[in-house]
Amino acid sequence: KAGVTQTPRYLIKTRGQQVTLSCSPISGHRSVSWYQQTPGQGLQFLFEYFSETQRNKGNFPGRFSGRQFSNSRSEMNVSTLELGDSALYLCASSLYGEEYGYTFGSGTRLTVV
Amino acid sequence: SQQGEEDPQALSIQEGENATMNCSYKTSINNLQWYRQNSGRGLVHLILIRSNEREKHSGRLRVTLDTSKKSSSLLITASRAADTASYFCATGSGGSQGNLIFGKGTKLSVKP
Repeated sequence: KAGVTQTPRYLIKTRGQQVTLSCSPISGHRSVSWYQQTPGQGLQFLFEYFSETQRNKGNFPGRFSGRQFSNSRSEMNVSTLELGDSALYLCASSLYGEEYGYTFGSGTRLTVV
Repeated sequence: SQQGEEDPQALSIQEGENATMNCSYKTSINNLQWYRQNSGRGLVHLILIRSNEREKHSGRLRVTLDTSKKSSSLLITASRAADTASYFCATGSGGSQGNLIFGKGTKLSVKP
């Protein structure tokens, strides 16, 4: 079966712009989580969606937002980009949530200049 | 915030040797998971162990969990060059809406 698909793979944006990243989970998976990975902070949880509802949110500013559609596809948006937002953004899907383990996509590498 | 702390930060071994990585965490957990990441790409789920389990095996992988010491170990037996990657432990607090809290990882290098 197809894995978790994230688009685009690479993105370069200018400070102050906004960006939207997309994630298509494994078919049948209803839980989608987003993580930010940086060399300094490691992997940090952004938010988790289940059946179009945000169930949990990490400690990130309101510039980071997300949503999930009825087909479980998810998007995350970052507004007013800052240099520190440069990171690898990873999407992960699961059948119902963490207790089932997560399948990760290959990530979107965002560079803010 | 980081919950898991892996030890060592880096490990270099020869093919055929065993590799052991340790993870310590701070708060009570429902489950602990190990993931592998190759060169900044996506993470691959290796194994999940629940808080009421002490040991679990999957192929060449053996994971132990000691909740009294808040620690876990991942053993890879008969390592191969293809095992070269970063390995992360992640703790889950339980419930279907929990998020995973990752450690900083152990970078394993297996030399042929």
